[in-house]
Amino acid sequence: AQRVTQPEKLLSVFKGAPVELKCNYSYSGSPELFWYVQYSRQRLQLLLRHISRESIKGFTADLNKGETSFHLKKPFAQEEDSAMYYCALAGANNLFFGTGTRLTVIP
Amino acid sequence: NAGVTQTPKFQVLKTGQSMTLQCAQDMNHEYMSWYRQDPGMGLRLIHYSVGAGITDQGEVPNGYNVSRSTTEDFPLRLLSAAPSQTSVYFCASLTANTGELFFGEGSRLTVL
Repeated sequence: AQRVTQPEKLLSVFKGAPVELKCNYSYSGSPELFWYVQYSRQRLQLLLRHISRESIKGFTADLNKGETSFHLKKPFAQEEDSAMYYCALAGANNLFFGTGTRLTVIP
Repeated sequence: NAGVTQTPKFQVLKTGQSMTLQCAQDMNHEYMSWYRQDPGMGLRLIHYSVGAGITDQGEVPNGYNVSRSTTEDFPLRLLSAAPSQTSVYFCASLTANTGELFFGEGSRLTVL
């Protein structure tokens, strides 16, 4: 069965510190994974997808099939990174979302 | 382009009342879906549609109905609202090119 696990509901880091938001998945096939972000009073939007291998707003995420993980990382957190982050796994006809991690960057 | 438009943004219902959340998209996406967002539960799929005339159940379909008469519109109906349906509801459409979901702004529903 498909499943996405985000073990941290809340994560606080200081500005300038590295940040890592964890995501683990369970999927029998070849996974297609995404990170979505919801800033305060804004709609959910795509941050990045593993296939594109892009770095968006300084964030990167590497798919580790051995550990079934897709952790989101940024070397130096900024205050504007404070938001709700969702990891998502593409299924046959939908996206399965994790429970989300609320990141707070402390000035 | 307006993208995905949801109405209303806020609604308060009494138990047993019915209502429809409207969703429209102007991107000609075939795939549309409804999610509910609850604290500690993340986003859970209620219903989805892969094209006009085709709908299917998601993870939490009970208490909700949908229809897809046109590509643009995908309304979500609550036939008899219950307090357990208090939530924030998101409509989304998906572009097949990149697999990216485009979300509406959300509708906050409170059932008393």
